[in-house]
Amino acid sequence: QKEVEQNSGPLSVPEGAIASLNCTYSDRGSQSFFWYRQYSGKSPELIMSIYSNGDKEDGRFTAQLNKASQYVSLLIRDSQPSDSATYLCAVKSAAGSGGYNKLIFGAGTRLAVHP
Amino acid sequence: DAGITQSPRYKITETGRQVTLMCHQTWSHSYMFWYRQDLGHGLRLIYYSAAADITDKGEVPDGYVVSRSKTENFPLTLESATRSQTSVYFCASSEGPGQGGTEAFFGQGTRLTVV
Repeated sequence: QKEVEQNSGPLSVPEGAIASLNCTYSDRGSQSFFWYRQYSGKSPELIMSIYSNGDKEDGRFTAQLNKASQYVSLLIRDSQPSDSATYLCAVKSAAGSGGYNKLIFGAGTRLAVHP
Repeated sequence: DAGITQSPRYKITETGRQVTLMCHQTWSHSYMFWYRQDLGHGLRLIYYSAAADITDKGEVPDGYVVSRSKTENFPLTLESATRSQTSVYFCASSEGPGQGGTEAFFGQGTRLTVV
C-alpha cells in the first residue's frame, strides 16, 4: 500500500464548476498536509497547507482534512482553464528510520478544465 | 540569486557512468529532499536530509548516494547509472520539522537520460 494515494484522473470539469480532488494517507501519525500544483514541464508549487481537522479556505481553494478517516481533499471553486494542471497531495510522514520526518507525495491527479 | 537551484538542467549519460546532480539553496533551510518523477508515479522520495551530515533513505534509495557537508548543498550521485534511472529529478528544501515550517520549495528540476 502506498503511503499517499490519489486518483490519477484525468478529472474533467467545465469552466466555472467546482473541482474536487481527494487524497488518502496511511500513516495515522501524520500531522502536516499539503497540496501542490504542477504544470506540465514545471516544478511543483505549493497552493495550500493544512494541519488541523476541518476546512481551510484561501481564495477559490478550500482544503479539507479528516484525520480520523485519513483523508485530505482540495476543492477548487469557479474552476478556470488556467487551473488545468496536476495536483499533488503531500504528507509529512512520521519519522523515518533515522528519526526525522519525511515528505511523501501521492502520484497526483490531473485536472482538465474545459471552456 | 536567492532560492533553490539545480544543475545541470539537462544531462545525458551512458549506462555505467557515475553522475552527480547538484542542488544549492540560499535560505539556510535545514531540510533538503531529492525526488524523482516518472509518469504514473508522481514524486518519489529518494533521500532526504534534516541537517548537515544527517541523511536518511526515502522510498527509492537504491543506486543513489547523497552527502551533505554544508547546509546549502545536497548533491545526489548515481554511482553506476542505469536506464531505469532516466527520470526528472527534483530537489526541494524546507525549514525545520515544526508544523508551520514544513512547506517544501522546489528547484527547477534536472532531466536525466541514461542511454
